[in-house]
Amino acid sequence: SQQGEEDPQALSIQEGENATMNCSYKTSINNLQWYRQNSGRGLVHLILIRSNEREKHSGRLRVTLDTSKKSSSLLITASRAADTASYFCATDRNNQGGKLIFGQGTELSVKP
Amino acid sequence: EPEVTQTPSHQVTQMGQEVILRCVPISNHLYFYWYRQILGQKVEFLVSFYNNEISEKSEIFDDQFSVERPDGSNFTLKIRSTKLEDSAMYFCASSKRSNTGELFFGEGSRLTVL
Repeated sequence: SQQGEEDPQALSIQEGENATMNCSYKTSINNLQWYRQNSGRGLVHLILIRSNEREKHSGRLRVTLDTSKKSSSLLITASRAADTASYFCATDRNNQGGKLIFGQGTELSVKP
Repeated sequence: EPEVTQTPSHQVTQMGQEVILRCVPISNHLYFYWYRQILGQKVEFLVSFYNNEISEKSEIFDDQFSVERPDGSNFTLKIRSTKLEDSAMYFCASSKRSNTGELFFGEGSRLTVL
């Protein structure tokens, strides 16, 4: 079965720096999504990139997708303390009834 | 902004007891899901539900689990006889469409089985 794996598992940066998180997966996908989870809270959708797209931007977020390497990266530019959270990639295969496979997540800490 | 709401936020139960977790999905959404997250582990898919039937379920979703949409608004997850390993955060989610769009998650119901 496919599996999303993020690295690094934990990332600590200073406010204003950029944060890059990577995700790898094993099988073909329909799309890849990134979610954020504040401690003890629900998941919040950040961005979705389809399998035929290579790059997507949303505000301070930039996502890339390389289907040949089965990998994706999430870049958060000019990070803020409020960006402190866990970030998960989730892959969606065709005809899977909307089932998402989540990775282990990257725990991002942004120090003021 | 519309949101998915879940109740209870935390439930403590004895092993072997039945538990029902409730969710109110976003009103114009058609697809509903349950996921769970054991403490410190990844979020795992349990089941998806569309048009009053299960679309897909994972290996975790065995005979002890069931889902129901008893009326036009609620979506419930029932665990018939809880085990210690069922302790987790259970997330309900909904989406307008499957396969192509984002999922909207609730804040979760924390289940503790003693």
